[in-house]
Amino acid sequence: ILNVEQSPQSLHVQEGDSTNFTCSFPSSNFYALHWYRWETAKSPEALFVMTLNGDEKKKGRISATLNTKEGYSYLYIKGSQPEDSATYLCAAIYNQGGKLIFGQGTELSVKP
Amino acid sequence: DAGITQSPRHKVTETGTPVTLRCHQTENHRYMYWYRQDPGHGLRLIHYSYGVKDTDKGEVSDGYSVSRSKTEDFLLTLESATSSQTSVYFCAINGDRGSSYEQYFGPGTRLTVT
Repeated sequence: ILNVEQSPQSLHVQEGDSTNFTCSFPSSNFYALHWYRWETAKSPEALFVMTLNGDEKKKGRISATLNTKEGYSYLYIKGSQPEDSATYLCAAIYNQGGKLIFGQGTELSVKP
Repeated sequence: DAGITQSPRHKVTETGTPVTLRCHQTENHRYMYWYRQDPGHGLRLIHYSYGVKDTDKGEVSDGYSVSRSKTEDFLLTLESATSSQTSVYFCAINGDRGSSYEQYFGPGTRLTVT
């Protein structure tokens, strides 16, 4: 059974703090990694899709890196704002298959 | 807007009754998915489809069946609902190139089994 782990489970920061989360996944037969942002009472929204070792992607104050050899990805948020409060999910795909295996998420709370 | 709708959006049903949830897309995407959301588990895949009449199981498929008789509709059926199936159910779609591309999620269906 493939297991995708995210840490920490929850994070409380002050506005302006920079923060990062980790997504760990089995590296054998890895194909792609997705990051999603999920606000309460809404649907998850895609942030990044990464496939290559060493990939770095950026969207505004949020960026992500990927290490496929050791099986981890980092998500960084620079200068957190209250509107960044959400659960951040990662999901891994293997063998070019259609299934995404999600981690349990990191819940971020940013206080003004 | 990826053109995904789910119906019903809310449903309360009794243990032992059959329930069918519908996911409808207007974008002609090949891949469609059903997930359930539970505290501490994030999203867990129930079933997915990679084409008309082509489906496969996810990690929590027991007690659920699916059907896809046309591209735009993916139905999730609980043959005999149980209280453990109380959850929020999300449908999602991928582009034709599969899992290299992000998924777009529907608005969710909140199901309560009493």
